[in-house]
Amino acid sequence: EVQLVESGGGLVQPGASLKLSCVASGFTFSDYWMSWVRQTPGKTMEWIGDIKYDGSYTNYAPSLKNRFTISRDNAKSTLYLQMSNVRSEDTATYYCTRETYYGYNPYFDYWGQGVMVTVSS
Amino acid sequence: DIQMTQTPSSMPASLGERVTISCRASQGISNYLNWYQQKPDGTIKPLIYYTSNLQSGVPSRFSGSGSGTDYSLTISSLEPEDFAMYYCQQYDSSPDTFGAGTKLELK
Repeated sequence: EVQLVESGGGLVQPGASLKLSCVASGFTFSDYWMSWVRQTPGKTMEWIGDIKYDGSYTNYAPSLKNRFTISRDNAKSTLYLQMSNVRSEDTATYYCTRETYYGYNPYFDYWGQGVMVTVSS
Repeated sequence: DIQMTQTPSSMPASLGERVTISCRASQGISNYLNWYQQKPDGTIKPLIYYTSNLQSGVPSRFSGSGSGTDYSLTISSLEPEDFAMYYCQQYDSSPDTFGAGTKLELK
């Protein structure tokens, strides 16, 4: 059974840094591109970025590129999201997702349960 | 970024009813569109990929269609477990963007 379990969220002050983790199981982690998606309290979904299966390439939403970094440790089947200089608008539930492909068409076939991040002083 | 206008934002409906949710892209997206369902407990799963392909395990009452800028998700006969949030997502142009969501509610 595929499982994605996020952790590392919580209350963080504006300007601080935070690192989220997502431990994957039930599939060969190193075979898949992975993404982070967040959902604001108003239910808006925003794609943050993704990382190639071997970690050699990352792609980000331009609005987040300068503050967020995605990485992975395939030996630990773990995906990471490093968030820096966080702002109140980063308050959201963060989801780890697995990307799968139908031909050249990607979609997110598995999602974690999400981890909440609240940015407040 | 491509803007996805999803309508309606909420939809009261009855069991057994046929419903359609729409997404309009700010430019043509060449069928590069997926649909997701989010249950009240937060669980998210894919329903439809590449406009009209049904994800494995998803009931056949769900279907997707569209082209160009206009896409839709149809549920042919609502079951109790279908009352949830629905989102479209385009991947024609990076960054991927989502519609604002449709909350399907029991009338």
